[in-house]
Amino acid sequence: RKEVEQDPGPFNVPEGATVAFNCTYSNSASQSFFWYRQDCRKEPKLLMSVYSSGNEDGRFTAQLNRASQYISLLIRDSKLSDSATYLCVVNPMNSGYSTLTFGKGTMLLVSP
Amino acid sequence: EAQVTQNPRYLITVTGKKLTVTCSQNMNHEYMSWYRQDPGLGLRQIYYSMNVEVTDKGDVPEGYKVSRKEKRNFPLILESPSPNQTSLYFCASRAPFTGELFFGEGSRLTVL
Repeated sequence: RKEVEQDPGPFNVPEGATVAFNCTYSNSASQSFFWYRQDCRKEPKLLMSVYSSGNEDGRFTAQLNRASQYISLLIRDSKLSDSATYLCVVNPMNSGYSTLTFGKGTMLLVSP
Repeated sequence: EAQVTQNPRYLITVTGKKLTVTCSQNMNHEYMSWYRQDPGLGLRQIYYSMNVEVTDKGDVPEGYKVSRKEKRNFPLILESPSPNQTSLYFCASRAPFTGELFFGEGSRLTVL
């Protein structure tokens, strides 16, 4: 099983749709989880951290399920500007951030 | 403005000609890292540095060297580049408490 797996997509959705991405991780000792957004040919940027209790930032909701070892990202009321690749990032270490493992990303295309 | 700066942004070179990609951050971050991104493979860590004079191998260190003589700079050195090192390279530094990675804009390297 790969360390961090994501559905590569692309997810093609119309404006206003709700879309959800899942990401599974193999290391049960993983402690920290993040979603990054990467626009085409640009650098990744942090979208949000994922907390154990789940967290929301405007139209974006992130959740963590430790028992099943997956995290999710829900985007409500999709905008054209949400079109990007979403990277799931996991810190597999028990302490520190010496290395982070990136998923290969899920591409989202929002159309008018 | 807080930022990570990489140079050059674009480079075409030939096999065997040594090159250095510079990376500098102005956020006083202790942790810095280099990644390469290839289609279908996602972001893979090359080397990272927890602090000055402390560097360690990531997942794909072969063919690369790094140095960390001062906190702000973390150059990536390709002593004898080969075509399989053609890739998009990102330098990143990490905020100490949030764990957020700040990426440079990327350096697109082509080795002929």
